[in-house]
Amino acid sequence: SQTIHQWPATLVQPVGSPLSLECTVEGTSNPNLYWYRQAAGRGLQLLFYSVGIGQISSEVPQNLSASRPQDRQFILSSKKLLLSDSGFYLCAWSGGQTGVNTEAFFGQGTRLTVV
Amino acid sequence: AQSVTQPDIHITVSEGASLELRCNYSYGATPYLFWYVQSPGQGLQLLLKYFSGDTLVQGIKGFEAEFKRSQSSFNLRKPSVHWSDAAEYFCAVGAYNQGGKLIFGQGTELSVKP
Repeated sequence: SQTIHQWPATLVQPVGSPLSLECTVEGTSNPNLYWYRQAAGRGLQLLFYSVGIGQISSEVPQNLSASRPQDRQFILSSKKLLLSDSGFYLCAWSGGQTGVNTEAFFGQGTRLTVV
Repeated sequence: AQSVTQPDIHITVSEGASLELRCNYSYGATPYLFWYVQSPGQGLQLLLKYFSGDTLVQGIKGFEAEFKRSQSSFNLRKPSVHWSDAAEYFCAVGAYNQGGKLIFGQGTELSVKP
């Protein structure tokens, strides 16, 4: 069966420090991968998605970037964190086959607090 | 603009009572609709999905939802709520073959009274 792992679970970082959140998927190949952010008391907003290695699409302008160095690895980064980057970050995957209806499966999330 | 609206931010129901969570969407193409549940500090779990066919869909944990195209709605229902159903519920809409590229509603927090 497929599983998705996110780490770390919680993170407290000072303003101006770098960020690296990692997500890996097991049990499937060529998944579509996604990073979402959930601000306090709000819904989820799609930040980035990737349909293949090295292919990243950004949905909203921001202080963050994403990379996909391997088929089942998705990394969310920042060079200098802002207070507004605080939130709950969720990685997700869906099947990458064309012509197939699929749903998204989410990781357990990373709670990021920028202080 | 594409959007999902969950009109109720917070709902409280008594254990054993019925539940309906509302979801309305605005989407330019044929919508693919989802309900997810989130326990505090956790990721999202898929409750049910609608892609096509029968407009009444059954999900896990005794939940069901009905797609009404004329009303642009996809309301979630459960006939008898259990205390363990207390959580936050999110409605989401996506496009064909883009299962993870979703637009989410703001969520409805469900509290269950004993």
